[in-house]
Amino acid sequence: AQTVTQSQPEMSVQEAETVTLSCTYDTSESDYYLFWYKQPPSRQMILVIRQEAYKQQNATENRFSVNFQKAAKSFSLKISDSQLGDAAMYFCAYRSAKGGSEKLVFGKGMKLTVNP
Amino acid sequence: DVKVTQSSRYLVKRTGEKVFLECVQDMDHENMFWYRQDPGLGLRLIYFSYDVKMKEKGDIPEGYSVSREKKERFSLILESASTNQTSMYLCASTSQGAANIRPLHFGNGTRLTVT
Repeated sequence: AQTVTQSQPEMSVQEAETVTLSCTYDTSESDYYLFWYKQPPSRQMILVIRQEAYKQQNATENRFSVNFQKAAKSFSLKISDSQLGDAAMYFCAYRSAKGGSEKLVFGKGMKLTVNP
Repeated sequence: DVKVTQSSRYLVKRTGEKVFLECVQDMDHENMFWYRQDPGLGLRLIYFSYDVKMKEKGDIPEGYSVSREKKERFSLILESASTNQTSMYLCASTSQGAANIRPLHFGNGTRLTVT
């Protein structure tokens, strides 16, 4: 079974600085998808960024980018120019690309605090 | 925008009660999921459904059942609520089709307290 590990339960960053959230996963599959989700306090879980394993190019979405290292099974999220609104729980997630595999496996999450 | 609506934001129930958590999505998604979120444990899958009247167990189905009579609605049922089922419950949905990168769309969550 696949597992997702977020080893840092909490991090903090100063506003306007850059922070990197780590995520590792374990799988025997070669084709899969990886996601970062954000859950602001008392608000809805939303997708931040996603990556297909077959793509070598790292995904980027404005201030958010990933460092995908397939051989190392690592999928870190970099937040540049951190803003107060980035404060949230962040979850890394894995989904198999096999047909019929719809389940996401989530890490335990990491709480990010942004200091003004 | 996809909307996933959970009927209650907060719910307080007594031990032994039968509890229904309702979830409705408006994007004609085939797949619907119920997750449980606990501090330090992340999100754990309880049940999911890929079609009307179809259901599959997730990682922690014990003490729960589900119902999907209509495509847009997926209900989570706690047959006899217990205090260890106090948690945040998240419903999510996504479309089916070719294996492409389809993110989950989440509801706002229901915080259930069982006393």
